[in-house]
Amino acid sequence: GAGVSQTPSNKVTEKGKYVELRCDPISGHTALYWYRQSLGQGPEFLIYFQGTGAADDSGLPNDRFFAVRPEGSVSTLKIQRTERGDSAMYLCASSPPGLAGAETQYFGPGTRLLVL
Amino acid sequence: KQEVTQIPAALSVPEGENLVLNCSFTDSAIYNLQWFRQDPGKGLTSLLLIQSSQREQTSGRLNASLDKSSGRSTLYIAASQPGDSATYLCAVRLYNAGNMLTFGGGTRLMVKP
Repeated sequence: GAGVSQTPSNKVTEKGKYVELRCDPISGHTALYWYRQSLGQGPEFLIYFQGTGAADDSGLPNDRFFAVRPEGSVSTLKIQRTERGDSAMYLCASSPPGLAGAETQYFGPGTRLLVL
Repeated sequence: KQEVTQIPAALSVPEGENLVLNCSFTDSAIYNLQWFRQDPGKGLTSLLLIQSSQREQTSGRLNASLDKSSGRSTLYIAASQPGDSATYLCAVRLYNAGNMLTFGGGTRLMVKP
């Protein structure tokens, strides 16, 4: 079946611009996660949705970052007034409902963001 | 705050060798631990997930062990192949941190033919 998809695969923007990154989770997955991965490092948690609501947004670095999931499926990560330090791979993952300890997160291919 | 460390950061071995990748974590109150594979410029593929009550998991040539008390996990790869070349990441999920995963920095593995 279809996995997690993310669009665009690459995004180049200029400092100060606004960008939106999209994630389509696996059908039926209720949980959705955003992570950010800088070059040579492991992913860092940004935000987690359970259904339509953000259950944990403690990883968002500042108020320029915002994410929505209005219908409990597709999610959009929005970055305002982009800075060069925002350049990274943005990864989305989803997981099915079930025993909390057994959940595996299924990752998408990522969106590579470059801020010039 | 949970910290996850992976050693070595990079490893190069000839084809056919058995190898061990190490992961350590500071908070032993984990829900589970996962090992992922990441190819250059790509997303993550889950390899093995070990529940906190388990000691190890096996899949093909891969075996992952977990020792919660010492805060360590190892990923053993038997009879390595050039196709195993990738970055291997371990990630832990804590009981008191919701569903977020905390990742190590990864080990970049190259298996030479």
